Amino acid sequence: AQTVTQSQPEMSVQEAETVTLSCTYDTSESDYYLFWYKQPPSRQMILVIRQEAYKQQNATENRFSVNFQKAAKSFSLKISDSQLGDAAMYFCAYRSAYGSEKLVFGKGTKLTVNP
Amino acid sequence: DSGVTQTPKHLITATGQRVTLRCSPRSGDLSVYWYQQSLDQGLQFLIQYYNGEERAKGNILERFSAQQFPDLHSELNLSSLELGDSALYFCASSVGGGYQPQHFGDGTRLSIL
Repeated sequence: AQTVTQSQPEMSVQEAETVTLSCTYDTSESDYYLFWYKQPPSRQMILVIRQEAYKQQNATENRFSVNFQKAAKSFSLKISDSQLGDAAMYFCAYRSAYGSEKLVFGKGTKLTVNP
Repeated sequence: DSGVTQTPKHLITATGQRVTLRCSPRSGDLSVYWYQQSLDQGLQFLIQYYNGEERAKGNILERFSAQQFPDLHSELNLSSLELGDSALYFCASSVGGGYQPQHFGDGTRLSIL
């Protein structure tokens, strides 16, 4: 079974600075999808960014980018120019390209943005 | 707004009772997924339906059941409720398969007293 590990329960960053959240996963599959979701205090789950395992180019969405290292099974999220609205729980998730479409989530990283 | 609607937003009930959580997926989405978020277990997949048929099952208790109706809305039924069932229950939807992301509703907060 696949597992996702987020080793940083909490992180903090100064407004306008850059922060990187770590995520590693364990799988024997060669094709899969990776996602970062954001959960602000309002508790919504909001998709931040996604990556397909067969694409070598790292995904970017405005201030959010990933560093995808397939061999190392690492999928970190970089937030540039951090804003107060970025404060939230961030969840890394794995989905297999075969069979079940379920998302396997990490335990999350709580990000605090300091003014 | 994700386009996924969950009702009710909050539910407070007692042990031993039965409740039904409702989910309306985004327009055009055929797949519905249910997840449970609790402090000790984190976010866990419960079950998936695709166009009315059960597609995948996760860590769903036998006391829980779900279905997807012809209009594609889904219901999650929780019975013989225990204190440990207190959690946030999310519904998500997608067009199904491939690279398509799952879009989450706002969740139903279930509190068992």
